[in-house]
Amino acid sequence: DAKTTQPNSMESNEEEPVHLPCNHSTISGTDYIHWYRQLPSQGPEYVIHGLTSNVNNRMASLAIAEDRKSSTLILHRATLRDAAVYYCILRTRTGSQGNLIFGKGTKLSVKP
Amino acid sequence: GAVVSQHPSWVICKSGTSVKIECRSLDFQATTMFWYRQFPKQSLMLMATSNEGSKATYEQGVEKDKFLINHASLTLSTLTVTSAHPEDSSFYICSARDISRETQYFGPGTRLLVL
Repeated sequence: DAKTTQPNSMESNEEEPVHLPCNHSTISGTDYIHWYRQLPSQGPEYVIHGLTSNVNNRMASLAIAEDRKSSTLILHRATLRDAAVYYCILRTRTGSQGNLIFGKGTKLSVKP
Repeated sequence: GAVVSQHPSWVICKSGTSVKIECRSLDFQATTMFWYRQFPKQSLMLMATSNEGSKATYEQGVEKDKFLINHASLTLSTLTVTSAHPEDSSFYICSARDISRETQYFGPGTRLLVL
């Protein structure tokens, strides 16, 4: 699986939007972009994933650059419960193959 | 979202004993399950991938005879840490892939402390 680069940490104020960047310059045409987050002492939680087009769900939005070499996870209004480590992961869509390999992620702090 | 459960949520055991951790997908069938390990302040590390009805595939550096994985059904996988030692103390997290949705879901994790 191709590698991703994320900032180690970011800070946000409560109720403000948060943009979490991810660079994946070596992404291949069959790689999906997945985002997970992990709250302290819990297993990772699925947030969103996409291939080429921007994606929206109840948790977040995913903006994917036209060349697909970067993407941004957008939390529209951060809450204290959004404080977590956010992981951007590429996974090849090959049926039973393509494991999720975690990097270091971005630790998001949310200030009240 | 889909639910993956793990049992137990935490366990303390003596050195030399074996510990079994169960992972269940509660509302979907998972032909593929994964086991991860996470040490404090570190990211998740993939230990092995298991497919229902076949032998698990272990990542480099993970001892298959020490970490026994059984994926007996489409909703259950177990990880047995055999002859546990203090250095095996960690946070063990399972994951199951929902093929129908191309999404992987994670369990809440099992914290193992070996004394």
